[in-house]
Amino acid sequence: GQNIDQPTEMTATEGAIVQINCTYQTSGFNGLFWYQQHAGEAPTFLSYNVLDGLEEKGRFSSFLSRSKGYSYLLLKELQMKDSASYLCAVRDSYGNNRLAFGKGNQVVVIP
Amino acid sequence: DAGVIQSPRHEVTEMGQEVTLRCKPISGHNSLFWYRQTMMRGLELLIYFNNNVPIDDSGMPEDRFSAKMPNASFSTLKIQPSEPRDSAVYFCASSLRDYTDTQYFGPGTRLTVL
Repeated sequence: GQNIDQPTEMTATEGAIVQINCTYQTSGFNGLFWYQQHAGEAPTFLSYNVLDGLEEKGRFSSFLSRSKGYSYLLLKELQMKDSASYLCAVRDSYGNNRLAFGKGNQVVVIP
Repeated sequence: DAGVIQSPRHEVTEMGQEVTLRCKPISGHNSLFWYRQTMMRGLELLIYFNNNVPIDDSGMPEDRFSAKMPNASFSTLKIQPSEPRDSAVYFCASSLRDYTDTQYFGPGTRLTVL
């Protein structure tokens, strides 16, 4: 089975940096995804990590430590449009590679 | 290119009625997923099809829920009879090959059962 834990909400100022954490427990880890979901909209793909380390993609970076069961998403130069829920999703190779989502972390960007 | 298309976008129905949600995956994608999202439980996978065949339906809540994929470009999720606790946003997503690929989500159907 899988257990994914994300803090629920944070507020940050425009232009700042925010780090969103995700810890997980899974029988057989086979990749971790980050999705962004604006209120009332569908989730959209942000990043994918399967090996340890940092993946950078513009203003967004994602880090993975498999030994610690831990990932974070780093949002730099925050913009108002970054106000959204950020979902961490883990794929379990022992669970038919099914993707299990965390509840999401709501980020509110203020001027 | 068109993304995943879902209809209807909103559905309000009364308890006991049959509800049918529809999904058209991205052309060329071989996998299709149905999810349900609520505040309490977050995003939950209901069923996963690969090449039109149901591979994993362990997330389907009970016999009132059924899903079909008669061809590569169309799938339905049916609830009969519907209950108030079925109220949620239902998302359809597709991916190019299988579980290992990035999933692209449709806009969702917001279902309210009164």
